[in-house]
Amino acid sequence: AQKVTQAQTEISVVEKEDVTLDCVYETRDTTYYLFWYKQPPSGELVFLIRRNSFDEQNEISGRYSWNFQKSTSSFNFTITASQVVDSAVYFCALSDLNSGNTPLVFGKGTRLSVIA
Amino acid sequence: GAGVSQSPSNKVTEKGKDVELRCDPISGHTALYWYRQRLGQGLEFLIYFQGNSAPDKSGLPSDRFSAERTGESVSTLTIQRTQQEDSAVYLCASSQLAARSGNTIYFGEGSWLTVV
Repeated sequence: AQKVTQAQTEISVVEKEDVTLDCVYETRDTTYYLFWYKQPPSGELVFLIRRNSFDEQNEISGRYSWNFQKSTSSFNFTITASQVVDSAVYFCALSDLNSGNTPLVFGKGTRLSVIA
Repeated sequence: GAGVSQSPSNKVTEKGKDVELRCDPISGHTALYWYRQRLGQGLEFLIYFQGNSAPDKSGLPSDRFSAERTGESVSTLTIQRTQQEDSAVYLCASSQLAARSGNTIYFGEGSWLTVV
């Protein structure tokens, strides 16, 4: 069955520190997609990245980077030089082709607080 | 429209009353989803519409919950005889094609429902 685990419930860092948010997933499919979303206090989920299971290259976008490792079923998210505006709840999510009916399975989220 | 639009933004209702929540997806998106997020919790899948196919209702928590969609446009989520445990943010999302094909799902800002 599909499952996404974000073991860190809350993380607090001081501004300019680097922080890594962990995501571990489970799926029986060989074709699947992984996502990260950011949910600021306003409540709207903001799409950050989509990665398919055949592309294990790490990706960097500004201060954000993602480390996808199929060997450990992990898709971790690192924010470099964190800023107060990064404070939000971050969700990792999984979509696969054949397992279950739920189109997108979310982890429970990690609440990141960046302190000035 | 430019993004997924939901109304009302906030709704306070008395226990036992019916409520309707509306979602207007991104123009051209064939897939529409409803999720529920209780305070401090992750996202719980409710229902999924894909084009003219029969909706996937596997996530609806009880028969008090129902949803309709007119063609590939507006959807309405109805909660009958509301209970206090229905208090949550109800998030609507849409994607161009099926999420299982890896299409990115875009979310609205949600409808905050409080049952008193």
